[in-house]
Amino acid sequence: NFMLTQPHSVSESPGKTVTISCTGSSGSIASNYVQWYQQRPGSAPTTVIYEDNQRPSGVPDRFSGSIDSSSNSASLTISGLKTEDEADYYCQSYDSSNRGVFGGGTKLTVL
Amino acid sequence: EVQLVESGGGLVQPGGSLRLSCAASGFTFSSYSMHWVRQAPGKGLEWVSYISSSSSTIYYADSVKGRFTVSRDNAKNSLYLQMNSLRDEDTAVYYCAPTRVVSGNKDVWGQGTTVTVSS
Repeated sequence: NFMLTQPHSVSESPGKTVTISCTGSSGSIASNYVQWYQQRPGSAPTTVIYEDNQRPSGVPDRFSGSIDSSSNSASLTISGLKTEDEADYYCQSYDSSNRGVFGGGTKLTVL
Repeated sequence: EVQLVESGGGLVQPGGSLRLSCAASGFTFSSYSMHWVRQAPGKGLEWVSYISSSSSTIYYADSVKGRFTVSRDNAKNSLYLQMNSLRDEDTAVYYCAPTRVVSGNKDVWGQGTTVTVSS
């Protein structure tokens, strides 16, 4: 079964840049779009990146997404970190049968 | 304002049934395929089901296949999830969401509805 693997947690200081990886277990991660969701405690998820590198309206350009086919991974990069960015982040894509797949989530701590 | 509102959650015994609803407003619901996604207490997000805009294509996670049925009524701007033969492990907050941002580049997720399966 296709799986997406994320680091369990990352931490960085305010103002710095952090990158969260999302590695596909098989096939090519570039075959299907990758989305990234932010979830603050007690709240519903929100989309910060869709279709690999697109931002919904209202998401600051500090958030960016990319695909690296050589490592079969997607990345979410957040620059100019703010304390409000502290949240869980999930990547999501699809398997070869078009069923959705989520990564396990990464807890971002901004300290 | 684009909005999704889930309802229908509650406490149910193992083996029981529930029907979740998701009411859409502020966007052309009939143009978008939809997901159901769930989150067990203290756990990550889990994809549950997909339905295309016309209902012609439907997918389920292996964990719910044969027990859950997704449907939609575009005339009522509503999405449904019929859940049968419920198990303890189905306990979660259930969210509905379109598979992509809606017109105007807007993101929309529901607030979720809680399903608790327990005797």
